[in-house]
Amino acid sequence: KAGVTQTPRYLIKTRGQQVTLSCSPISGHRSVSWYQQTPGQGLQFLFEYFSETQRNKGNFPGRFSGRQFSNSRSEMNVSTLELGDSALYLCASSLWGTGRPGELFFGEGSRLTVL
Amino acid sequence: KNEVEQSPQNLTAQEGEFITINCSYSVGISALHWLQQHPGGGIVSLFMLSSGKKKHGRLIATINIQEKHSSLHITASHPRDSAVYICAVRSWAGGSQGNLIFGKGTKLSVKP
Repeated sequence: KAGVTQTPRYLIKTRGQQVTLSCSPISGHRSVSWYQQTPGQGLQFLFEYFSETQRNKGNFPGRFSGRQFSNSRSEMNVSTLELGDSALYLCASSLWGTGRPGELFFGEGSRLTVL
Repeated sequence: KNEVEQSPQNLTAQEGEFITINCSYSVGISALHWLQQHPGGGIVSLFMLSSGKKKHGRLIATINIQEKHSSLHITASHPRDSAVYICAVRSWAGGSQGNLIFGKGTKLSVKP
């Protein structure tokens, strides 16, 4: 069974640009969540989707957005990039459903560098 | 004060030692996760707990809901256990699942 796939793995952008990251969950998993990891702040929750609906959202500015498609694949977008957005962006999928937390399966991450 | 506190922040052990990492939290939760992250970034879920105790090989995780505390134990530690161990809680509020809140992690180094 294929794991969680994130693309691209590495990317370099300049301030002011936008970026889109993709996450394909494990087959059958309908929940996808996104996280930002930086040396200073550690892991922080961005948002979580289940059946194409955003279920939860972390404390990030509106420049960070996401969506989930009918095949459970998810994308996140960061607009007007800032230097502080340089981070490892991780996604995780789970069998999580209403009222039932599920084990998380993480992708390898997308490492974004903003110059 | 962080909602999820881990201790210690750093831990160095000799191969074979028994290791304990602690996690305390201050919010209502529906589940607690223990995660392992090796250098290079990949994160692996070790346990998901909502009560009691779970064991997987040399790893044991316990949770005390009343005391809002969890421990991760590693028996007979090995250099390959060297990694960052992260505690994360799924908040529970208003009858629904909330966000995941992470601890800062415990960096474990096991010397041969």
